[in-house]
Amino acid sequence: QKEVEQNSGPLSVPEGAIASLNCTYSDRGSQSFFWYRQYSGKSPELIMSIYSNGDKEDGRFTAQLNKASQYVSLLIRDSQPSDSATYLCAVPTTSGTYKYIFGTGTRLKVLA
Amino acid sequence: DTGVSQNPRHKITKRGQNVTFRCDPISEHNRLYWYRQTLGQGPEFLTYFQNEAQLEKSRLLSDRFSAERPKGSFSTLEIQRTEQGDSAMYLCASSLGSGDSPLHFGNGTRLTVT
Repeated sequence: QKEVEQNSGPLSVPEGAIASLNCTYSDRGSQSFFWYRQYSGKSPELIMSIYSNGDKEDGRFTAQLNKASQYVSLLIRDSQPSDSATYLCAVPTTSGTYKYIFGTGTRLKVLA
Repeated sequence: DTGVSQNPRHKITKRGQNVTFRCDPISEHNRLYWYRQTLGQGPEFLTYFQNEAQLEKSRLLSDRFSAERPKGSFSTLEIQRTEQGDSAMYLCASSLGSGDSPLHFGNGTRLTVT
């Protein structure tokens, strides 16, 4: 089992729809979770962090965390073509060091 | 805050040559990370520093790879005797040393080995 798993996609949604991106992780001790957006040929850009169970909203983005199910998701409301990118989930290890493990990313396409 | 800076942006080299990349982190960040990313994959951890101490190094980092952060500020990543499989984007990131702070990435260095 991979430490951080994401569906590679592509996930295609029409403009204005809600895009739902999912991430599962294997380390039950994980306490913090990060979502990054990466445009083609560019470096990852932090968009959300979440530390507690439940929802965290920031503009059109909502991160959802369920530690019991080892599941974190990112919802993008009113999706725009400019949201088309790869979304990466990152989870720090809990082995005493602060190594961040990334999923393979989900490629999102928002269709105009 | 000028962000994480990486140089060069692009490097083309011939197989067998040595290359060195530089990363300047955000000034108040004491952790510095190196990742490698290939097409269609997420960033893959290589190594990280807390101040000048290299605290972890991936098994993937062969003897040909070495990283330094001599004064706890900028870092260099050197690849000796490059191979075509080393072609990738090399990403540097930094973070505050407090708890689980997020990583902030530089623009990356794209290496092409011919």
